[in-house]
Amino acid sequence: NAGVMQNPRHLVRRRGQEARLRCSPMKGHSHVYWYRQLPEEGLKFMVYLQKENIIDESGMPKERFSAEFPKEGPSILRIQQVVRGDSAAYFCASSTTSDPNNEQFFGPGTRLTVL
Amino acid sequence: GESVGLHLPTLSVQEGDNSIINCAYSNSASDYFIWYKQESGKGPQFIIDIRSNMDKRQGQRVTVLLNKTVKHLSLQIAATQPGDSAVYFCAENKGGYNKLIFGAGTRLAVHP
Repeated sequence: NAGVMQNPRHLVRRRGQEARLRCSPMKGHSHVYWYRQLPEEGLKFMVYLQKENIIDESGMPKERFSAEFPKEGPSILRIQQVVRGDSAAYFCASSTTSDPNNEQFFGPGTRLTVL
Repeated sequence: GESVGLHLPTLSVQEGDNSIINCAYSNSASDYFIWYKQESGKGPQFIIDIRSNMDKRQGQRVTVLLNKTVKHLSLQIAATQPGDSAVYFCAENKGGYNKLIFGAGTRLAVHP
């Protein structure tokens, strides 16, 4: 049973370009969470999605950031017009249910570097 | 505001010693706590969890203690090994749904 998959693992973008980060949850998981981690810091919640629905996007910046989890295919975190401050590691996690006692399994992350 | 934070940013121990990593949380409504281990270049890995109706929970070489009176959480690692070297995060879940609030992390360095 493959774990949570994220790609690309490393992404380099110039300021103003778009970044697309992909997350394939574990098989049978329909709940996806995105977190951002700055160097030497903890993970910060960004958004929680179920299939085709955004449940909580309270951690997402109001502009330039969007997320989706379509019926088919991976979840996508999209960052438009990237700036240097977007450089971070972005982690995706998945779970089988929204039960707070249900373990979240994390992917290996995508490390975004904005030049 | 709510936060989960750690007392020590870095902890150095000798191989074979016991390690204790501490965490303070501020939201008394939190009912579920998790410790994660993150190795360099990898995602967080679940270690152990504890619910608010418990004071202690043991796993293999690890023990988590929860003191709700002072809102303090600790992770004890017995007979620390070089493979335990990593950054350790406590995370808090306030319930409702599965949204985690992470602390800043403690780096554990194990020396031979």
